[in-house]
Amino acid sequence: DVVMTQTPVSLPVSLGGQASISCRSSQSLVHSNGNTYLHWYLQKPGQSPQLLIYRVSNRFSGVPDRFSGSGSGTDFTLKISRVEPEDLGDYYCLQSTHFPWTFGGGTKLELK
Amino acid sequence: QIQLVQSGPELKKPGESVKISCKASGYTFTDYAMHWVKQAPGKGLKWMGWINTYTGKPTYADDFKGRFVFSLEASASTANLQISNLKNEDTATYFCARGKVMDAWGQGASVTVSS
Repeated sequence: DVVMTQTPVSLPVSLGGQASISCRSSQSLVHSNGNTYLHWYLQKPGQSPQLLIYRVSNRFSGVPDRFSGSGSGTDFTLKISRVEPEDLGDYYCLQSTHFPWTFGGGTKLELK
Repeated sequence: QIQLVQSGPELKKPGESVKISCKASGYTFTDYAMHWVKQAPGKGLKWMGWINTYTGKPTYADDFKGRFVFSLEASASTANLQISNLKNEDTATYFCARGKVMDAWGQGASVTVSS
């Protein structure tokens, strides 16, 4: 299985500040069709996960442009600028290039 | 709007079975696969597999082969997850999620297995 390693596990931030979360995969996430199936989700406390970014860098409908995704191959990053209170929670990366799909272990974004 | 509404919490004993439902609305049910994701208490997310809502064919991750069954009631736009011979380690919240990028999620169904 592809192992997804997220860092850091916990990320204290100040409101209005910037946050960066790394997600590294144990093998390349480039599919044979040329696409890279790496996605990002936010799970707010007590809620279901919600899609933020799909296929590395595409913001899902309604997601503020404070969120941006980048990366390629095995190394991916989610950046959040101007952190707001509603951004706090657990962030997960997911790869769906290889079977079985696998999630990163999660990063808790919390107030400093 | 797109909604996935799951069934309520369940309390079961080891060895029993449970069936969780996920009712979709706001889109054409058979246009999107349905995925299932497990979240044990205080833990991260684990992908269980998916069901093709057009053909009904399920695909299971290795850890979920044997006691886990994905099924459909397509006429009711509903996907189901059945777990048999429940074990303590099945205690978790189970989410259904729509499509290739899991762009819509159910609210989760809590299953507690305890003697």
